Amino acid sequence: DQQVKQNSPSLSVQEGRISILNCDYTNSMFDYFLWYKKYPAEGPTFLISISSIKDKNEDGRFTVFLNKSAKHLSLHIVPSQPGDSAVYFCAASARRGGGSEKLVFGKGTKLTVNP
Amino acid sequence: EAGVAQSPRYKIIEKRQSVAFWCNPISGHATLYWYQQILGQGPKLLIQFQNNGVVDDSQLPKDRFSAERLKGVDSTLKIQPAKLEDSAVYLCASSLDRAVRAFFGQGTRLTVV
Repeated sequence: DQQVKQNSPSLSVQEGRISILNCDYTNSMFDYFLWYKKYPAEGPTFLISISSIKDKNEDGRFTVFLNKSAKHLSLHIVPSQPGDSAVYFCAASARRGGGSEKLVFGKGTKLTVNP
Repeated sequence: EAGVAQSPRYKIIEKRQSVAFWCNPISGHATLYWYQQILGQGPKLLIQFQNNGVVDDSQLPKDRFSAERLKGVDSTLKIQPAKLEDSAVYLCASSLDRAVRAFFGQGTRLTVV
């Protein structure tokens, strides 16, 4: 049961243009969503997040949009740069009993930004 | 601030052998996670510790995998005996509070032949 889905395994964009990475989720209990970026041979690094009470969060060139009714979120990178080339993971979190929580990841989308 | 440290970076073993991975979390982080990332997949949580207690090990194959976190700091993950399908990158992460602020180590790439 894949609760977080990234249906595009790869995306190729020209430098300077917008990159849009999409993510869908099924569990309505998720209350926090994140994007992680991963370079080869490195661990994932946190990029940007959004709470379920918001519909947009912006940090520099990166903006995450959340559509709760559609259970969909997207990451926009404007303008895209070659250094943005990496695998991007969408992740979602829900509180569990006892105060702990679990972070569920999608399969990732490999972004290539061409000079 | 030092990051999450993991060792070894790479390991190649034959099936049915045993292997152990080590993780040193960021100082002061109470929560520690072990994730398994198979090629082409996202990271999957194997076990989560809060200090030295287990919070979630529902996806840990307990017949062959074990993990411990001594004194609420360092942690080891062991596989015994290994199977071919255990080939993956094993990621350790730690967080101060919510998993949403987890910091990942570089991972250990395990190849079982």
